[in-house]
Amino acid sequence: IAGITQAPTSQILAAGRRMTLRCTQDMRHNAMYWYRQDLGLGLRLIHYSNTAGTTGKGEVPDGYSVSRANTDDFPLTLASAVPSQTSVYFCASSRTSGSTGELFFGEGSRLTVL
Amino acid sequence: GQNIDQPTEMTATEGAIVQINCTYQTSGFNGLFWYQQHAGEAPTFLSYNVLDGLEEKGRFSSFLSRSKGYSYLLLKELQMKDSASYLCAVTDSNYQLIWGAGTKLIIKP
Repeated sequence: IAGITQAPTSQILAAGRRMTLRCTQDMRHNAMYWYRQDLGLGLRLIHYSNTAGTTGKGEVPDGYSVSRANTDDFPLTLASAVPSQTSVYFCASSRTSGSTGELFFGEGSRLTVL
Repeated sequence: GQNIDQPTEMTATEGAIVQINCTYQTSGFNGLFWYQQHAGEAPTFLSYNVLDGLEEKGRFSSFLSRSKGYSYLLLKELQMKDSASYLCAVTDSNYQLIWGAGTKLIIKP
């Protein structure tokens, strides 16, 4: 593993199903983030974690949950998927929190909810 | 509200110079980032400005004027591989990162 790994890279999901997007980093970064990217809109922050054991809500947290049990892993769960959650999801990390440092992004997970 | 404006799309010719503008209105300012994103790929870091002036890094330069709420990314000696979206993002007073929608740059031979 080098950098940030996301899985799956692509998924089609029926509405109402539960889905977890996985994110793992090997850079020992303290802060991790989940963004969604939709056409014509800027990246929107869903949830973040400044350090292992803590999480916070971003701009669009409804319908999503996260956990940060350790430094490396930051899974994103959709409890009951809806079509409006169709998007490309990016996990990112930074050495420090506070949004003044470079973000390193995973390759993205393209999710389609039907 | 907080807002970041960038042109939606720009076209330039291989070998030429292009300037991508970004204006922002945010609650406070703690730095401005530029990222490059090729189609279907993840964003990658290009530059960070926190003080006024020009930062040069090879063919790419980024300029910031905090008093005007304005930045630009200057790309010189354009290559076909520079075809990508360029994302402007600002860290506000609460240290939240606010993203623009991105500028799609099309390079023509």
